Amino acid sequence: GAVVSQHPSWVICKSGTSVKIECRSLDFQATTMFWYRQFPKQSLMLMATSNEGSKATYEQGVEKDKFLINHASLTLSTLTVTSAHPEDSSFYICSAINRDNEKLFFGSGTQLSVL
Amino acid sequence: DAKTTQPPSMDCAEGRAANLPCNHSTISGNEYVYWYRQIHSQGPQYIIHGLKNNETNEMASLIITEDRKSSTLILPHATLRDTAVYYCIVRVGVTGGGNKLTFGTGTQLKVEL
Repeated sequence: GAVVSQHPSWVICKSGTSVKIECRSLDFQATTMFWYRQFPKQSLMLMATSNEGSKATYEQGVEKDKFLINHASLTLSTLTVTSAHPEDSSFYICSAINRDNEKLFFGSGTQLSVL
Repeated sequence: DAKTTQPPSMDCAEGRAANLPCNHSTISGNEYVYWYRQIHSQGPQYIIHGLKNNETNEMASLIITEDRKSSTLILPHATLRDTAVYYCIVRVGVTGGGNKLTFGTGTQLKVEL
């Protein structure tokens, strides 16, 4: 079964609204989680690294005020797309590292469509 | 993290072995080789990883050359459900301090009847 749960799997929202995406590690603790976005027919692009109990580290060109990340517990990280616009429409994917075995697992992804 | 080079696409007949190559000529001594695959509109799925030795699990085998500059993922009996984009990634393990995974363009594997 899935070891990283991502919710929702898809969301449609109006332009200007905010959308929250959750990422949970189900049977391990994840001090670090990652958020990616993927446009059609392209590879995954790392957006930010989410660290439990501290501020997220954003990749160059990713607006931290636009994509709010909260990692309040060892099993949950959230990504909030604020004031979403049609160009934010994309497939968003989270991942988490199981420190016990070096494996990194991915969520099932969230398809965001902004109208 | 070191960059990887993969062919953009490969075809394989169902039931035959699929051998997916990856070049990582600038790999460092403490970097692991990871393989993931992504089926359309899903999150990447972990397949296998290794450091120096060849590895095998229920999904695939990973063959790493002695100089570690390249590797091959082997799906021994490919099925239609193995059609996906396969990503080869190298990164420092967690204990080495490097956590980020950088994805290249991957190899689109098509398994056909």
